[in-house]
Amino acid sequence: NAGVTQTPKFRVLKTGQSMTLLCAQDMNHEYMYWYRQDPGMGLRLIHYSVGEGTTAKGEVPDGYNVSRLKKQNFLLGLESAAPSQTSVYFCASSGPGPRGQHFGDGTRLSIL
Amino acid sequence: GQQVMQIPQYQHVQEGEDFTTYCNSSTTLSNIQWYKQRPGGHPVFLIQLVKSGEVKKQKRLTFQFGEAKKNSSLHITATQTTDVGTYFCAAFSGGYNKLIFGAGTRLAVHP
Repeated sequence: NAGVTQTPKFRVLKTGQSMTLLCAQDMNHEYMYWYRQDPGMGLRLIHYSVGEGTTAKGEVPDGYNVSRLKKQNFLLGLESAAPSQTSVYFCASSGPGPRGQHFGDGTRLSIL
Repeated sequence: GQQVMQIPQYQHVQEGEDFTTYCNSSTTLSNIQWYKQRPGGHPVFLIQLVKSGEVKKQKRLTFQFGEAKKNSSLHITATQTTDVGTYFCAAFSGGYNKLIFGAGTRLAVHP
């Protein structure tokens, strides 16, 4: 049982490049989330989805887009990367309602 | 928007000493969750508290939810080197879709 899988694990981009981070979960969870984690700031919610075909903005959505075409996958896109988007990105999933979230191992993204 | 404040930001203890981290909110919380993140790892869900005044224990960890549901604490008795990591509290904001995380308390344990 893999749980939540994120790809890639590491990536270095140049300013202005685009990329997509992939998150896949095999727990049949309805809810999926993308967070970024910066030193001393905890985790901040970028976007989330409460089901296939739905997405919504979190605390820090600017500069990111997401898609949830399949229930098990949640994609995070950076159209034009900026150095301020250097961070560790975590994907998480959960069942509906007030439940604990299951996190992937994270993607370390550096933008030069 | 809703915020949860955690103190302290960092604490180092000698192995065997106790440790407590606190989470505070200016608004009443529906519930609160606690997570642990080992260095270089990902957050792992520990527990959720729902009821006013609730106390839950997991081995050496004791979790409390305040009577007014505006604060919570995590206490570790007799810390071990395996307790090293950052402990986060988190609360739901605007329904059960969005978790707001505190900044975390980083615990270092010296053998």
